[in-house]
Amino acid sequence: DAMVIQNPRYQVTQFGKPVTLSCSQTLNHNVMYWYQQKSSQAPKLLFHYYDKDFNNEADTPDNFQSRRPNTSFCFLDIRSPGLGDAAMYLCATSRERGTKETQYFGPGTRLLVL
Amino acid sequence: AQKITQTQPGMFVQEKEAVTLDCTYDTSDPSYGLFWYKQPSSGEMIFLIYQGSYDQQNATEGRYSLNFQKARKSANLVISASQLGDSAMYFCAMREVTSGTYKYIFGTGTRLKVLA
Repeated sequence: DAMVIQNPRYQVTQFGKPVTLSCSQTLNHNVMYWYQQKSSQAPKLLFHYYDKDFNNEADTPDNFQSRRPNTSFCFLDIRSPGLGDAAMYLCATSRERGTKETQYFGPGTRLLVL
Repeated sequence: AQKITQTQPGMFVQEKEAVTLDCTYDTSDPSYGLFWYKQPSSGEMIFLIYQGSYDQQNATEGRYSLNFQKARKSANLVISASQLGDSAMYFCAMREVTSGTYKYIFGTGTRLKVLA
């Protein structure tokens, strides 16, 4: 019954070593989001896809990239992780982008950078 | 400028009592949506309740209700008959569309602890 799936749940990487986090959904939603949530902080939106249209937040570092090869999957690539990138990464989906649209979140991937 | 403000970093409530979690917001757009999410220690964000800016009635979902005061720009979450399983982090969030730009903003959260 899982609707938004994130793999892996825990990821350990080395400083500067590229890492990819994955998200898949069974809801057939048009929009997929990636959030970064550091300890005891609010989730911060990094970017979102509306269908194949990529929307980057203005303050998202270039180190973060994303791919959405099809409706179901979305990937977060961190090209050169720094210690400051250790966080929980949350994927979410919504049917559309309007103000009424509820986001459905995955369980998150906790990233540790050594 | 802070768009969503949750002034209570932590709250305690006795089991079976009601509790109110505060949220104020700032926007100049007439159309926006307000959401509350629950985040247990496992990390997953769980949708609780939604209030649209044009909704005349306060939203309710089971034990959750939203005390929406538009003029004061507040959207407080009320949890009635608290249960031990309600212990979690609670986030208030806002969605707005400004000049074709989509904004999704979360508050800093309130950690609720329900006491037996």
